[in-house]
Amino acid sequence: GDSVTQMEGPVTLSEEAFLTINCTYTATGYPSLFWYVQYPGEGLQLLLKATKADDKGSNKGFEATYRKETTSFHLEKGSVQVSDSAVYFCALSVTGNQFYFGTGTSLTVIP
Amino acid sequence: ETGVTQSPTHLIKTRGQQVTLRCSSQSGHNTVSWYQQALGQGPQFIFQYYREEENGRGNFPPRFSGLQFPNYSSELNVNALELDDSALYLCASSLTTGDYEKLFFGSGTQLSVL
Repeated sequence: GDSVTQMEGPVTLSEEAFLTINCTYTATGYPSLFWYVQYPGEGLQLLLKATKADDKGSNKGFEATYRKETTSFHLEKGSVQVSDSAVYFCALSVTGNQFYFGTGTSLTVIP
Repeated sequence: ETGVTQSPTHLIKTRGQQVTLRCSSQSGHNTVSWYQQALGQGPQFIFQYYREEENGRGNFPPRFSGLQFPNYSSELNVNALELDDSALYLCASSLTTGDYEKLFFGSGTQLSVL
């Protein structure tokens, strides 16, 4: 079945450090891939997405590239800020109405 | 623009009871989905409603049921509560055209079953 496996946390980084959160997927069709973020006290919100192989999604300095050959969609940011502290969820959708989420990775950025 | 709102925020029930959770969609959104998020897990798809009809269902038993109303608000009903139903229940609204894959989530209802 369809599923997402993401890097377990928690992750703690110093401000301006490089961030990578790994995500791999299994899908029966041709999924769209997503990263959702949950800031403290808020609901999940879409950070970025990619709908086909080799697409790169980007937003707020975060990037992820849809790699079909490695079934991966790793999240990266070159220089994290304290305000990036949140829980990050990788997700996929094949049908457009049902999403499969990973278990989430908690990121804490310290000044 | 009004966001997705859920009520109540927290709820405590006992095993065997029934519960109703409520969700108001983001303005202009005609599709609503419900997800269950157990502690330490990612959200799991329960079902989606579009135009008051169920439009997809995840691997949840029939005692999980839902409704969508003409104003696009929604309810999630769970009968015969079990201890394992303790979780955060998330509502998400979306469009059916344009960026239909962008979900807008509420902050959730934390259900505890004792």
